[in-house]
Amino acid sequence: KNEVEQSPQNLTAQEGEFITINCSYSVGISALHWLQQHPGGGIVSLFMLSSGKKKHGRLIATINIQEKHSSLHITASHPRDSAVYICAVRGETSGSRLTFGEGTQLTVNP
Amino acid sequence: EAQVTQNPRYLITVTGKKLTVTCSQNMNHEYMSWYRQDPGLGLRQIYYSMNVEVTDKGDVPEGYKVSRKEKRNFPLILESPSPNQTSLYFCASRGRGSPLSTDTQYFGPGTRLTVL
Repeated sequence: KNEVEQSPQNLTAQEGEFITINCSYSVGISALHWLQQHPGGGIVSLFMLSSGKKKHGRLIATINIQEKHSSLHITASHPRDSAVYICAVRGETSGSRLTFGEGTQLTVNP
Repeated sequence: EAQVTQNPRYLITVTGKKLTVTCSQNMNHEYMSWYRQDPGLGLRQIYYSMNVEVTDKGDVPEGYKVSRKEKRNFPLILESPSPNQTSLYFCASRGRGSPLSTDTQYFGPGTRLTVL
């Protein structure tokens, strides 16, 4: 079992839909990252979380430390949101080491 | 502009020919890392550095070396590349901060390496 599991692996939505991507992890963590990888390959950091909830524009990230679970929500989705979304965790005792989920491929159709 | 640069962006080489992929950041960040990304395996950490002259292995360090002689640079060295090192490589950096800080990871644009 991977330390970081994402679901779903693939997600297709219509423009305007509310989207949720889930991340579950099995170790104690000091931080969790959500990343976005564009079709061209570039990676952008969206959020770093250690508790609670963060919001940036149409993106919302939440984390429940007790349940070892995080969600990334996209409101009013748009075709430009089409990308791979990757969850990564930094373990409590792993210093700067990150462990990544396999990513969720999101396609938003117009 | 805050950025992480990598060179080269694309490289085709042959087995056994030593190569270096450079990584440089202009944000005075303490932490720098190298990752490789492979289909079906996702991103995996190769090496990371917490500061000048301080490096440690990630999950897949075999066949790679790194050095951190200056804060801004963190080159990845393949002494004797093999075909199983064909991959997409990313360098990243972030500031020190505490685990509760909002320090962002900045990623380089990636280097696509093919070893024949």
